[in-house]
Amino acid sequence: DAKTTQPPSMDCAEGRAANLPCNHSTISGNEYVYWYRQIHSQGPQYIIHGLKNNETNEMASLIITEDRKSSTLILPHATLRDTAVYYCIVRVAGRDDKIIFGKGTRLHILP
Amino acid sequence: GAVVSQHPSWVICKSGTSVKIECRSLDFQATTMFWYRQFPKQSLMLMATSNEGSKATYEQGVEKDKFLINHASLTLSTLTVTSAHPEDSSFYICSASQGARGNQPQHFGDGTRLSIL
Repeated sequence: DAKTTQPPSMDCAEGRAANLPCNHSTISGNEYVYWYRQIHSQGPQYIIHGLKNNETNEMASLIITEDRKSSTLILPHATLRDTAVYYCIVRVAGRDDKIIFGKGTRLHILP
Repeated sequence: GAVVSQHPSWVICKSGTSVKIECRSLDFQATTMFWYRQFPKQSLMLMATSNEGSKATYEQGVEKDKFLINHASLTLSTLTVTSAHPEDSSFYICSASQGARGNQPQHFGDGTRLSIL
């Protein structure tokens, strides 16, 4: 079973920041938090990952709470092309460990 | 960035035929690749882990004789759906990781949509 819990759907106005929450209360010390998204009829796209520090790249920011039991993916200026299903995943880095997908959050960007 | 390519992207076949799907890592070597299946409006379901030079590891409930996996090189894994039937129609997706070199993410192909008539 997936080790994360996400809301099934969210709406966000175009141009605003989209904040997607994820709960991973059973995360282990050596497990990373990964975020992927899947646009309709495509394969999942890697977005960002982190261990305990906040991370930022050209796509998004990842905020991880101090106790690491939850995190938030932030898309700073959402566009219509960000409409997708977003998956939060925990896995042990450095191993070819399989990824088990949960149901994710379906993000709708509203014009 | 790392790229994973799948071929074909779309295939329609008659019931009873076998279909082969290729998954290639284009700019890195992947000792392990993964195969997923996705039905409409559902999440990805892991089918099997493909290991270069050894037998694949199948998830519970996945028929190994139905879904043949061959990982003959560090850049290519194939999934063959044998004697396909309409219930095998689905979106098949592969992924690959650059391996145990630190925190490397898995990268996914764009999927193969299989329709069995």
